[in-house]
Amino acid sequence: EVQLVESGGGLVQPGGSARLSCAASGFTLSDYNMNWVRQAPGKGLEWVSYISSSSSTKRYADSVKGRFTISRDNAKHSLYLQMSSLRAEDTALYYCARGVPMVVSGWYFDLWGRGTLVTVSS
Amino acid sequence: QSALTQPASVSGSPGQSITISCTGTSSDIGAYNYVSWYQQHPGKAPKLMIYDVSNRPSGVSYRISGSKSGNTASLTISGLQADDEADYYCGSHSSSSTLGVFGTGTTVTVL
Repeated sequence: EVQLVESGGGLVQPGGSARLSCAASGFTLSDYNMNWVRQAPGKGLEWVSYISSSSSTKRYADSVKGRFTISRDNAKHSLYLQMSSLRAEDTALYYCARGVPMVVSGWYFDLWGRGTLVTVSS
Repeated sequence: QSALTQPASVSGSPGQSITISCTGTSSDIGAYNYVSWYQQHPGKAPKLMIYDVSNRPSGVSYRISGSKSGNTASLTISGLQADDEADYYCGSHSSSSTLGVFGTGTTVTVL
């Protein structure tokens, strides 16, 4: 089955760190660009970060730049998001989302995980 | 990078057609044909409905269509059905350093 499964969420204190993981199965991870998208409780979607298939290009939303780091391990079929200096406003459901294939130009997300909840609170 | 602007809510009766607008700028919607639309039911992950302005992924109903004019994109749902009741988000590639942006979201209600 083609799917993405996120893990690593939980309760984190302000200023703390967390590492999210996303396990991909049913397709070849190295063929796709990947993203993290988050959704605060009761709010809309917010794109967080992008990584190209070979990890050569990484991009971040202004709201997380300098605090979050995206990475991937294609051999382990996994995507990661290292989050540091966490703030209350980072509280959200974090989705792993498959982007366009490496040979295609575009910007869309055709496969989503169920998300992992990160709560930043003391 | 500000979110794209969508109406907060749109409603229609079963069988009717509705259109959701998504307004951006010349740096995102107006600059690229990379507009996508997502449907999200409560407690569920978003689902891709339209990509590259007007293309439907396999399995998405023919009742769903997308278009773009200038800095505004639109999603039309024809023959409205109860299961269409959900939140809808547009998205676009952006020339800014942040790469991409989503819309503010629209709640569709089937009367």
